[in-house]
Amino acid sequence: EVQLVESGGGLVKPGGSLRLSCASSGFAFSNAWMIWVRQPPGKGLEWVGRIKSKSGGGTTDCAEPVKGRFTLSRDDSKNMFYLEMNSLKTEDTAIYYCTTGYSDSSGRYHGDDAFDIWGQGTMVTVSS
Amino acid sequence: QSALTQPPSASGSPGQSVTISCTGTSSDVGGYNYVSWYQQHPGKAPKLMIYEVSKRPSGVPDRFSGSKSGNTASLTVSGLQDEDEADYYCSSYAGSKILLFGGGTKLTVL
Repeated sequence: EVQLVESGGGLVKPGGSLRLSCASSGFAFSNAWMIWVRQPPGKGLEWVGRIKSKSGGGTTDCAEPVKGRFTLSRDDSKNMFYLEMNSLKTEDTAIYYCTTGYSDSSGRYHGDDAFDIWGQGTMVTVSS
Repeated sequence: QSALTQPPSASGSPGQSVTISCTGTSSDVGGYNYVSWYQQHPGKAPKLMIYEVSKRPSGVPDRFSGSKSGNTASLTVSGLQDEDEADYYCSSYAGSKILLFGGGTKLTVL
């Protein structure tokens, strides 16, 4: 079964740190570009960051609000994807989803523009 | 304020059609044919419904269609069904900013 399962969310004080994990199964993880998307309670979706596959260069990009504070990494040997969050702010409070790029029927890979496998999300609450 | 602008709500009766707009700029929606649409039911993860402006992933009903004109993309749901009631989000590739989402539209089936 194709699956993504996030873990590591919880309550943390402003200025604190947290590491989210995303476990994958049922697909070729090493070939996948992995993405974090977050959703504050009752609000819309926000792209957080992406790590390319190693064959794609392995590079990461992050949204401006989290640049310098959040780091994306992956362990292809364990089919795991991570989000290291430092200097957390109250506005980082959200459900954090991991997701993957979409391979369409013509063989084109949409690593940066369309995401088809999603986890159930993990809640991060930043509050004193 | 979200980068892409969507109406907060839309509605239609069963069997009718409804269109949701998504307005950006020439740096995102207008500059690339990489607009996607997602459906999200309460408490669930988003589901990809449309990619590359108008293409449907396997399994998505052909009642869902997408289009784009200039800096505005649109999602049309034809033959509305009760299960279409959900939040809908557009997204667009945005070059150096990578990806932007719209603020979401709550679709109500009357």
